[in-house]
Amino acid sequence: GDSVTQMEGPVTLSEEAFLTINCTYTATGYPSLFWYVQYPGEGLQLLLKATKADDKGSNKGFEATYRKETTSFHLEKGSVQVSDSAVYFCALSEGFQKLVFGTGTRLLVSP
Amino acid sequence: GAGVSQSPRYKVAKRGQDVALRCDPISGHVSLFWYQQALGQGPEFLTYFQNEAQLDKSGLPSDRFFAERPEGSVSTLKIQRTQQEDSAVYLCASSAMPPGAGEKLFFGSGTQLSVL
Repeated sequence: GDSVTQMEGPVTLSEEAFLTINCTYTATGYPSLFWYVQYPGEGLQLLLKATKADDKGSNKGFEATYRKETTSFHLEKGSVQVSDSAVYFCALSEGFQKLVFGTGTRLLVSP
Repeated sequence: GAGVSQSPRYKVAKRGQDVALRCDPISGHVSLFWYQQALGQGPEFLTYFQNEAQLDKSGLPSDRFFAERPEGSVSTLKIQRTQQEDSAVYLCASSAMPPGAGEKLFFGSGTQLSVL
């Protein structure tokens, strides 16, 4: 079945550091790929998405590129802020909105 | 309201009790999903409604779990004879359109269920 694997956390960074959170997937078809973010005490929010190979999703300085050849969708940000501290989930969906999530990666950014 | 609302926010149940969890989706949203999120894990799909029709219940872990959306708006997830392994956060999500190419889902803050 479909699955998503993402790096374990927590990821601890200083403000303005570069961020990478790795995500790889297994799917039988051609899924859409997503990053969701969960801030403390809030619901999951869509951060960005890509629906086909080589697409780049971007939002709030975050970006991720759909790499079919490596089945990856790594999340990057050039300069993190304290307010980016949250749990980040990589997810996929195959033609239907049922999402398959990874286990989440907690990001902690210190001043 | 402006977002997806879930109640109660927290629920403590004794093993064997029945519980009912409520989801108020964004007004007019066609699609409604339930997910279960165990501690330290990502959410896992339970069931999907399009309006009042339950089109997919393949993720419900046992026949103790039952979901309904009788008028195509509010949904209730019911768990009968709760077990400790049912302890999790139950998330509801809705979207404006039927399933398509990654239509945006809006999630509620969830109900945290603890079974003692």
